[in-house]
Amino acid sequence: NAGVTQTPKFQVLKTGQSMTLQCAQDMNHNSMYWYRQDPGMGLRLIYYSASEGTTDKGEVPNGYNVSRLNKREFSLRLESAAPSQTSVYFCATGVEIRRPQYFGPGTRLLVL
Amino acid sequence: DAKTTQPTSMDCAEGRAANLPCNHSTISGNEYVYWYRQIHSQGPQYIIHGLKNNETNEMASLIITEDRKSSTLILPHATLRDTAVYYCIVLYNNNDMRFGAGTRLTVKP
Repeated sequence: NAGVTQTPKFQVLKTGQSMTLQCAQDMNHNSMYWYRQDPGMGLRLIYYSASEGTTDKGEVPNGYNVSRLNKREFSLRLESAAPSQTSVYFCATGVEIRRPQYFGPGTRLLVL
Repeated sequence: DAKTTQPTSMDCAEGRAANLPCNHSTISGNEYVYWYRQIHSQGPQYIIHGLKNNETNEMASLIITEDRKSSTLILPHATLRDTAVYYCIVLYNNNDMRFGAGTRLTVKP
């Protein structure tokens, strides 16, 4: 039982490159979330998916797209990476919206 | 939307109770208070949540004032492994968790 897994663990991109961050969960949770955490700051919600087939914007969605591929997987895509997107990205899941969330280990992204 | 205010940092002696305060004076009647912690650079860990009543689980206790404008997270017997940043959160529109800067708790031997 791995819980919430994220790939890759670490990535370096050049400005303008694209990439997809992957998140998978084996907790049979309905809701999934993507956050970013900049140095010395709290987490900020990028997008979330209340259930399979739905996605909604969070606090800081600009520059990102998401796909809820199925109940287990929720991916975050950067179409054209910018240095301002250098951050640690965390995926989280919950039984449903407004219930406790359980976080993955994070993906550290550096955009040069 | 409700916002929270927490002290920037606190120290606690190992084995003693750690009491972490949080102010949320603009909280609405149906908004829950959640507590998470983040150890070093790991993903945040859920601790406890509550609406009106005090709550207790295997990790901590949550005391919410009667007017719901503030709460206190209590770690009854702090250990060195409890050193972390603790976040008090009120759900925005009941969906969006807005993390602030949190309280950096240092447990000292």
